[in-house]
Amino acid sequence: AQSVAQPEDQVNVAEGNPLTVKCTYSVSGNPYLFWYVQYPNRGLQFLLKYITGDNLVKGSYGFEAEFNKSQTSFHLKKPSALVSDSALYFCAVNLFLMFSGGYNKLIFGAGTRLAVHP
Amino acid sequence: DGGITQSPKYLFRKEGQNVTLSCEQNLNHDAMYWYRQDPGQGLRLIYYSQIVNDFQKGDIAEGYSVSREKKESFPLTVTSAQKNPTAFYLCASSTIGTGRYNEQFFGPGTRLTVL
Repeated sequence: AQSVAQPEDQVNVAEGNPLTVKCTYSVSGNPYLFWYVQYPNRGLQFLLKYITGDNLVKGSYGFEAEFNKSQTSFHLKKPSALVSDSALYFCAVNLFLMFSGGYNKLIFGAGTRLAVHP
Repeated sequence: DGGITQSPKYLFRKEGQNVTLSCEQNLNHDAMYWYRQDPGQGLRLIYYSQIVNDFQKGDIAEGYSVSREKKESFPLTVTSAQKNPTAFYLCASSTIGTGRYNEQFFGPGTRLTVL
């Protein structure tokens, strides 16, 4: 079954330290992978995506993610965390379904809450 | 959140009542989606639509209904048959086509609470 796992419910990090939010996936074929961020009572904001090419993807707000095919992982990273990075982070994989003319379905992980302390 | 509006932001409903959540987009996207978000479960797909007057059930469609009379609008009705409707509801839209990737853009969400 196609799935995305975020093994940590919460990640705590001190401001200025590097952060990592983990994501692993299980899909057939080549995955299209995404990271989204959600602030309280807000919609999802796109951070970055991996479609093809370089395994290290750079996105918004200084975030980056490393695609590792052998480990089926797509961990989100930032060299120096800010208090304003505190939010809920979702990893997702895109499935392209051929029926009905082609339809893109996002499979989401359960989310990881990032808390950055001053 | 730009381009997709959801209303209201907060909604309270008594048990046994139907309630309709609004979603409008001005991105000229063909496809629209409704997701439900519960703590610790991520987002789950309720319904999606790729064209006016057509829509498909997602993973958790029971107790919900939708319509797609206009390209810009995709309202979701939470019926009294939905046993646990209290949740945060997110609407999204995307282009469609032969490409394998069409990015979804999300609205700001509606928080529904059943009293």
